[in-house]
Amino acid sequence: GESVGLHLPTLSVQEGDNSIINCAYSNSASDYFIWYKQESGKGPQFIIDIRSNMDKRQGQRVTVLLNKTVKHLSLQIAATQPGDSAVYFCAENRGGSGGYQKVTFGTGTKLQVIP
Amino acid sequence: DVKVTQSSRYLVKRTGEKVFLECVQDMDHENMFWYRQDPGLGLRLIYFSYDVKMKEKGDIPEGYSVSREKKERFSLILESASTNQTSMYLCASSKGVRQGGNQPQHFGDGTRLSIL
Repeated sequence: GESVGLHLPTLSVQEGDNSIINCAYSNSASDYFIWYKQESGKGPQFIIDIRSNMDKRQGQRVTVLLNKTVKHLSLQIAATQPGDSAVYFCAENRGGSGGYQKVTFGTGTKLQVIP
Repeated sequence: DVKVTQSSRYLVKRTGEKVFLECVQDMDHENMFWYRQDPGLGLRLIYFSYDVKMKEKGDIPEGYSVSREKKERFSLILESASTNQTSMYLCASSKGVRQGGNQPQHFGDGTRLSIL
């Protein structure tokens, strides 16, 4: 909901420009990464993912870049639109005890698109 | 499309009450999760389940319990609600290890719970 956006770093982008949202992850053993978008009043929605054997993956208007050397993930949104305004956060997956995947979520970045 | 449905969008309860939050998914996912989301703290895992009748503690299980009697349904229980449990609660599901693993979680739209 609206309170999700409080206390978060905010990126303000002009409509039509490209947006770059960054995420630093913590564990070098993480092997699967996901970006989520959370609009006001809704649950997080899957955008794009990338596995650790890749360094770039493209979707529709979105690209995810993975730099394992510095444990950094970025989400690029081309031609940003007002509908892209939301909180974006990354998630890292690694094998947990018992074979289950351990997922850690970042705290998020709020993207504001200026019309 | 995967559908994760949480029974209530908004809920108001009183301190000391036993509270049930229900979640249903329709994609035969093995894994189900309960998170709470608070400003500045992000998503914190309360409990998860990787199979019927199985459960594992997450990062903040104190004051909560869960039930998974059927594959599609995962319930979160606040045994005796307290004001510090006022939060947004999010349910999610994903494919399990036996279903291929390493897949994104799919979330419901959340239940905003207020404890008075």
